Amino acid sequence: QQQVKQSPQSLIVQKGGISIINCAYENTAFDYFPWYQQFPGKGPALLIAIRPDVSEKKEGRFTISFNKSAKQFSLHIMDSQPGDSATYFCAASKDSGTYKYIFGTGTRLKVLA
Amino acid sequence: ETGVTQTPRHLVMGMTNKKSLKCEQHLGHNAMYWYKQSAKKPLELMFVYNFKEQTENNSVPSRFSPECPNSSHLFLHLHTLQPEDSALYLCASSQALAGGYEQYFGPGTRLTVT
Repeated sequence: QQQVKQSPQSLIVQKGGISIINCAYENTAFDYFPWYQQFPGKGPALLIAIRPDVSEKKEGRFTISFNKSAKQFSLHIMDSQPGDSATYFCAASKDSGTYKYIFGTGTRLKVLA
Repeated sequence: ETGVTQTPRHLVMGMTNKKSLKCEQHLGHNAMYWYKQSAKKPLELMFVYNFKEQTENNSVPSRFSPECPNSSHLFLHLHTLQPEDSALYLCASSQALAGGYEQYFGPGTRLTVT
């Protein structure tokens, strides 16, 4: 019940396309859902996060869609660029964003020029 | 130096060696963390320190020994490791342990145990 399942494991998208990464969780106590971006040789960095009181959050080309009833959330990268090539991790936590995150296994995204 | 730095960036050690990983944060944060990142596995939280005091040990084997001499520095002492300990070890820091404070990660130390 503590897991966050992330798919796909890897993704190849053409430049300008839409990248979609999905995550699913079981624990209904989770109330904070961040996405992290990790470039090769770097540590993960917070990209965007959402709380379950909204169904969507958008920051630039990055959008989180949240479906509370299905216990799923997804990251959409619009107009994907080669510079977006990285590994993306979803995560979840309870108690309004404590430091104890449950991470997904990561999605390696490659955007072709 | 800015952010969170880690040294060394790469480390190869034998199972009988003793080595240490170092983390330094230049952000004025009070909480520091060690994570283990293995391929195709979720990030695993290992240890948490708040104001130099250890607040969490996630059932980590005793061959991993953390040390936090002050709020800016964190070490992970390694001895008698196993090949399955090969992974990327990430250090992170946050302003506080309370909810809502972003964790800032260092670039990690890639550890290979031979």
